[in-house]
Amino acid sequence: TQLLEQSPQFLSIQEGENLTVYCNSSSVFSSLQWYRQEPGEGPVLLVTVVTGGEVKKLKRLTFQFGDARKDSSLHITAAQPGDTGLYLCAGAVGGGADGLTFGKGTHLIIQP
Amino acid sequence: DVKVTQSSRYLVKRTGEKVFLECVQDMDHENMFWYRQDPGLGLRLIYFSYDVKMKEKGDIPEGYSVSREKKERFSLILESASTNQTSMYLCASTPSPGGDYGYTFGSGTRLTVV
Repeated sequence: TQLLEQSPQFLSIQEGENLTVYCNSSSVFSSLQWYRQEPGEGPVLLVTVVTGGEVKKLKRLTFQFGDARKDSSLHITAAQPGDTGLYLCAGAVGGGADGLTFGKGTHLIIQP
Repeated sequence: DVKVTQSSRYLVKRTGEKVFLECVQDMDHENMFWYRQDPGLGLRLIYFSYDVKMKEKGDIPEGYSVSREKKERFSLILESASTNQTSMYLCASTPSPGGDYGYTFGSGTRLTVV
């Protein structure tokens, strides 16, 4: 059974601060995906990283895939209240056709 | 705007009832999935389907079945609802395997079994 551990579980910071969320596993994945979920809604895909060591930037969000393809991080610069939500990482084996393995998520609150 | 649509946002059913959760996608995706999401447990895979009339068990299939008669529609069936099936149910789809395209999720159905 593949497991993805996310840390921290909860994070509450002030607007304008920087933060990093981690996603770790002992398993190798073909890709790692990051989703953001708001209350009462389904997760929305933010990014997919597929190459070990890959770094992707999405405005103030920077995603990194570990060299061994077992871990990933999400860094947010100058956090804004609109960044509030549940951040989920998910690992795929063989493209994800057999389902993704999800971490339990990081609950992020950005206070104005 | 491409999307996955789940027929009900909120549902309240009685113990023992047969419950149907419907999911439709308009992206011509091959693969469809049903997950449930519970506090402290995250998302867990119930069933998935590669193609019409095909189905595969996920991690927690007990008490559930599925139907995929058309490519765009994937239904989750609770044969005899129980209180421990109270949960948020999420349907998702993705294109053909191997592409690491990511999933498109529906908005979810919050089911309460009383």
